[in-house]
Amino acid sequence: GENVEQHPSTLSVQEGDSAVIKCTYSDSASNYFPWYKQELGKRPQLIIDIRSNVGEKKDQRIAVTLNKTAKHFSLHITETQPEDSAVYFCATSGWGKFQFGAGTQVVVTP
Amino acid sequence: GAVVSQHPSWVICKSGTSVKIECRSLDFQATTMFWYRQFPKQSLMLMATSNEGSKATYEQGVEKDKFLINHASLTLSTLTVTSAHPEDSSFYICSASRAGRDQETQYFGPGTRLLVL
Repeated sequence: GENVEQHPSTLSVQEGDSAVIKCTYSDSASNYFPWYKQELGKRPQLIIDIRSNVGEKKDQRIAVTLNKTAKHFSLHITETQPEDSAVYFCATSGWGKFQFGAGTQVVVTP
Repeated sequence: GAVVSQHPSWVICKSGTSVKIECRSLDFQATTMFWYRQFPKQSLMLMATSNEGSKATYEQGVEKDKFLINHASLTLSTLTVTSAHPEDSSFYICSASRAGRDQETQYFGPGTRLLVL
């Protein structure tokens, strides 16, 4: 089965700095890579996604890069703000089912 | 668009009782719905995948007779936790995907927090 590893498990950054979260996967059939943000007790919210025919995608302060050869993809958050504090999950999908990473607790300190 | 609701948002029940959770896609037809379970400070674990009008596909280790899934229409799926026990206490979240350009995207419901006493 598919295995998705996510690092780091926790990330503390100063407001205004950048945060980077990395995920690696094993299933070469994966072709869709979403990132979700989950605040405590709430539903996961899709923040950005990328498909396997694209290497990079950006949406304001958030960007995702994908290296299909190396089977890894990363989430980049620039100019972090306190409201970016949450748990972030990467996921992969190749057959319609998601495999989630373990999550990264991001804390942005003022 | 792409709003998914869940009901109830939380439930407390006695051990041995059954609990039904509803998942609805409010403004789109969901070709597929997914049920996840999330324990505190852990990731989302897929329990089963359901398609309208057909039997659900359960993940390895998930008891189909304990977690009954009914996908009655393109906008409604239900999960029934039968004979619930304290170890079933968890956060249950559904998601739905729709046909079309973004069919891979899953839209999540707000979750149902279950506490079994």
